[in-house]
Amino acid sequence: GESVGLHLPTLSVQEGDNSIINCAYSNSASDYFIWYKQESGKGPQFIIDIRSNMDKRQGQRVTVLLNKTVKHLSLQIAATQPGDSAVYFCAVNPGLYGGSQGNLIFGKGTKLSVKP
Amino acid sequence: EAQVTQNPRYLITVTGKKLTVTCSQNMNHEYMSWYRQDPGLGLRQIYYSMNVEVTDKGDVPEGYKVSRKEKRNFPLILESPSPNQTSLYFCASSAGGGGAYEQYFGPGTRLTVT
Repeated sequence: GESVGLHLPTLSVQEGDNSIINCAYSNSASDYFIWYKQESGKGPQFIIDIRSNMDKRQGQRVTVLLNKTVKHLSLQIAATQPGDSAVYFCAVNPGLYGGSQGNLIFGKGTKLSVKP
Repeated sequence: EAQVTQNPRYLITVTGKKLTVTCSQNMNHEYMSWYRQDPGLGLRQIYYSMNVEVTDKGDVPEGYKVSRKEKRNFPLILESPSPNQTSLYFCASSAGGGGAYEQYFGPGTRLTVT
């Protein structure tokens, strides 16, 4: 089955700097990847997603990079702001051949702290 | 407003007393799912439903039941709760054919079983 790991449980950055949060997955058949943000006391909130036929996708101040060769996913946040402080989760859908299309495997999360 | 609602938000109960946590979405989504969140373990999927009357086990289904009789509702049932089911529970929904689309999460239900 799929397993999702995170490189760092916590990350502290200075306001205005760029943040990079990393994630690794195990199943090469996984075909859909998502990043979620969870603020204290709230449910996870979708940030950005990417499918396996892409290696980069950009949103507003965020970029997701997918390296299928090494099964690695990263989230880059440009010009990090205090409002970006939260726990960030990557999630992986193992896909039709890796499991079930309805199954979503989450990493354990990285807590991002932004220093003013 | 598009949203996923859960009730109750907080619940303290005793071992063995059956309980139901309701989940409802107003986005006409086909897919719904339940997760539990525990410190150090992240979010783990309990059950999911691809559509009405179609449910499937996630990674940690033991001790839970679900039903999907209507598109908008997906209740989570604990027939005989135990202390190891103390957790923060999230319901989520998404459009399309499964988990491979953006999921919208509810606000969470904090359950304590004594």
